[in-house]
Amino acid sequence: EAGVTQFPSHSVIEKGQTVTLRCDPISGHDNLYWYRRVMGKEIKFLLHFVKESKQDESGMPNNRFLAERTGGTYSTLKVQPAELEDSGVYFCASRRTGGRYGYTFGSGTRLTVV
Amino acid sequence: ELKVEQNPLFLSMQEGKNYTIYCNYSTTSDRLYWYRQDPGKSLESLFVLLSNGAVKQEGRLMASLDTKARLSTLHITAAVHDLSATYFCAVDVYLFGNEKLTFGTGTRLTIIP
Repeated sequence: EAGVTQFPSHSVIEKGQTVTLRCDPISGHDNLYWYRRVMGKEIKFLLHFVKESKQDESGMPNNRFLAERTGGTYSTLKVQPAELEDSGVYFCASRRTGGRYGYTFGSGTRLTVV
Repeated sequence: ELKVEQNPLFLSMQEGKNYTIYCNYSTTSDRLYWYRQDPGKSLESLFVLLSNGAVKQEGRLMASLDTKARLSTLHITAAVHDLSATYFCAVDVYLFGNEKLTFGTGTRLTIIP
């Protein structure tokens, strides 16, 4: 089975610009998560989709971040306008619904805001 | 708020030595994961620990869980260079219909020949 795919792998943008990150989960995984690791700190939860619905967006830092999952397939995370503190690695993970299924992570998008 | 503390943050050790990474968490969890990350790669699941006293081993790595102490350990035996990576513990909590992982800060492990 194909893994979780994230695009792009790296992005360097200027402060004030807009960036859109994409995550393609494993087919059939209803649960999709976004996480972020900033400057060598812990990996922090951003939000959780179940199919196309936002189940939990308590980790979204502010309204400059917008996540969507139209049709319950791939997801996008848009940062607009980007600030310096948004730099970090953004991970996506997907998981089947059910008690015993683990998380599969993508390789992340390294975002650098200059 | 759930806190997950992992130590040490950095670990440099010689090949052939043994060492332990510690993961403390602040509240009851449903599952505890250990992940490995190589630079630029995804998080690779190493172990899932489900219950008190659980011990799992894979090669030179062994993970254990003490739910009463809220402590998990990742023990490295006779380290070899290819174990160099960053290791994360993560606590999985199901609460109010939501399930998500809370991660420790990670331990960057460097094995010196």
